[in-house]
Amino acid sequence: EDQVTQSPEALRLQEGESSSLNCSYTVSGLRGLFWYRQDPGKGPEFLFTLYSAGEEKEKERLKATLTKKESFLHITAPKPEDSATYLCAVAQAAGNKLTFGGGTRVLVKP
Amino acid sequence: DAGVTQSPTHLIKTRGQHVTLRCSPISGHKSVSWYQQVLGQGPQFIFQYYEKEERGRGNFPDRFSARQFPNYSSELNVNALLLGDSALYLCASSFNPDSTDTQYFGPGTRLTVL
Repeated sequence: EDQVTQSPEALRLQEGESSSLNCSYTVSGLRGLFWYRQDPGKGPEFLFTLYSAGEEKEKERLKATLTKKESFLHITAPKPEDSATYLCAVAQAAGNKLTFGGGTRVLVKP
Repeated sequence: DAGVTQSPTHLIKTRGQHVTLRCSPISGHKSVSWYQQVLGQGPQFIFQYYEKEERGRGNFPDRFSARQFPNYSSELNVNALLLGDSALYLCASSFNPDSTDTQYFGPGTRLTVL
């Protein structure tokens, strides 16, 4: 059965303090790994899709990387508006049903 | 362009009642998936529909059902509501479930069961 584990569960950062979020996964036949951002009470907002080990993608202060067993979301010099829950999800070989991790709640203090 | 839309935004029901949630996908998207997100957890897959046919079902009881209409919109129905059904129900759309098309989520329907 597919499993996705995110760590840490919560992260408190000072503005400008860079950090990394981890997403470990077990899936038979990875078709894609997805990162979403979710603000309280809202739907997840798409950030990145990674398809193969070694792939990297960047968007503003965020950079996602992928290995065969885990993915990292690096937040460089975060700002208070980066405060959100970051969700990692995997799609397996058959269909693109997403299996999500529990998320990492990030709070960036000014 | 309009994103995924869901209605209603909020809903309060009592135990034993029935509820219908609605979703309209992004224009051109033919696949709709439903997820349940309990507070503090990641979303859990309930159903996936493509071209009006069920393509996948998660580990949810038969009280949960769904359907997709010719215009690709979808309904999620939950019968005999339990307190544990209180959650944010998310709809996501994509073009084709047989690829790794990105799933785009709507704002969700917050269901509270009293």
